Amino acid sequence: KNQVEQSPQSLIILEGKNCTLQCNYTVSPFSNLRWYKQDTGRGPVSLTIMTFSENTKSNGRYTATLDADTKQSSLHITASQLSDSASYICVVSPGDYKLSFGAGTTVTVRA
Amino acid sequence: DAGITQSPRHKVTETGTPVTLRCHQTENHRYMYWYRQDPGHGLRLIHYSYGVKDTDKGEVSDGYSVSRSKTEDFLLTLESATSSQTSVYFCAIGSDSNQPQHFGDGTRLSIL
Repeated sequence: KNQVEQSPQSLIILEGKNCTLQCNYTVSPFSNLRWYKQDTGRGPVSLTIMTFSENTKSNGRYTATLDADTKQSSLHITASQLSDSASYICVVSPGDYKLSFGAGTTVTVRA
Repeated sequence: DAGITQSPRHKVTETGTPVTLRCHQTENHRYMYWYRQDPGHGLRLIHYSYGVKDTDKGEVSDGYSVSRSKTEDFLLTLESATSSQTSVYFCAIGSDSNQPQHFGDGTRLSIL
């Protein structure tokens, strides 16, 4: 069964600090991996998308990495801001509509 | 923001009643999707559409039906709502399997 596991389930960080979220997957075949940010009461919004040949992609203070050999990805948030408080969701695509979603990591940034 | 509107945004209803949720897009995308999101679970696909009148089931389709009579509208119907269908429902659109799907802001449905 295709699975996407995210860790930690939740974390609290102080404003200005960095953090890294992890995503391990067993989805096969693999086409691309996406990270989404979901604010409370809103729909997920895409941060990055990486295909098999890409191992790093940045979007402002968000940097995603991908190791397709070990089937691991991470999302690094640099110099966190209060607005980074959200759930971050890892999504793996086999190349069609059958996306596999992780349960998400809830990040809380404290002043 | 991608032009996706879900309605209603919140609904409370009783077990056994029919419920219809609406998703409206202004992007003219071919593909539309309905997901549900529950605590501790990733989003799960209920149904999707690949064109007008063309729909297919996702992994959690039991108890749900859909219709798409126009490109811009995708309806999700719970024929006889049950408490297990209490959830947040998200509509998404996409035109390419390698492009991020754009999501609406969800409908929070409570079935008492």
